[in-house]
Amino acid sequence: DAGITQSPRHKVTETGTPVTLRCHQTENHRYMYWYRQDPGHGLRLIHYSYGVKDTDKGEVSDGYSVSRSKTEDFLLTLESATSSQTSVYFCAISETEYGYTFGSGTRLTVV
Amino acid sequence: DQQVKQNSPSLSVQEGRISILNCDYTNSMFDYFLWYKKYPAEGPTFLISISSIKDKNEDGRFTVFLNKSAKHLSLHIVPSQPGDSAVYFCAASAPGGANNLFFGTGTRLTVIP
Repeated sequence: DAGITQSPRHKVTETGTPVTLRCHQTENHRYMYWYRQDPGHGLRLIHYSYGVKDTDKGEVSDGYSVSRSKTEDFLLTLESATSSQTSVYFCAISETEYGYTFGSGTRLTVV
Repeated sequence: DQQVKQNSPSLSVQEGRISILNCDYTNSMFDYFLWYKKYPAEGPTFLISISSIKDKNEDGRFTVFLNKSAKHLSLHIVPSQPGDSAVYFCAASAPGGANNLFFGTGTRLTVIP
């Protein structure tokens, strides 16, 4: 979607390897979020950011870390990928507490 | 603990008929409710919202109803069209803070031509 891009769109990685997903926005929005979507669970928050270098944990943060060194970029890192982290990952941005704009997602497969 | 629940994982409706998607919530502090629509291989997109001070909001074929006493909201689509086939997520927001939007598990709507 215009204003928010995720990369890569697809990735296959091996168990135990580190993986970094990138979210880039051009909207200068303050808030950025990483979600994962799994069948039967909907969208679950992993980590979020409320400003440069300001991040916090969400509902399912174990095994994930994030960094936000610039307003426009929010990185999600899987320190040592496991099969349970096979999922579709969505980044979202927001300027207020209402109404998020989502990226197109990254489909990650851990084999 | 799921604060926003969509108990119907799927729904099938004939084209031209009404689709009703339901959502229940447990947190009485929620003051804003949203519906998102998601097509395969795309991110969720905002569809319609309602503030807790209202009980109905309408936008074209889409209407959201809010029953605060029952902690229940529903999305009505009339008439349903094949292009409406998607996964619909209900979300609820509490005031204040950055981590305050909670999603349901989604309902897959299939509109049969």
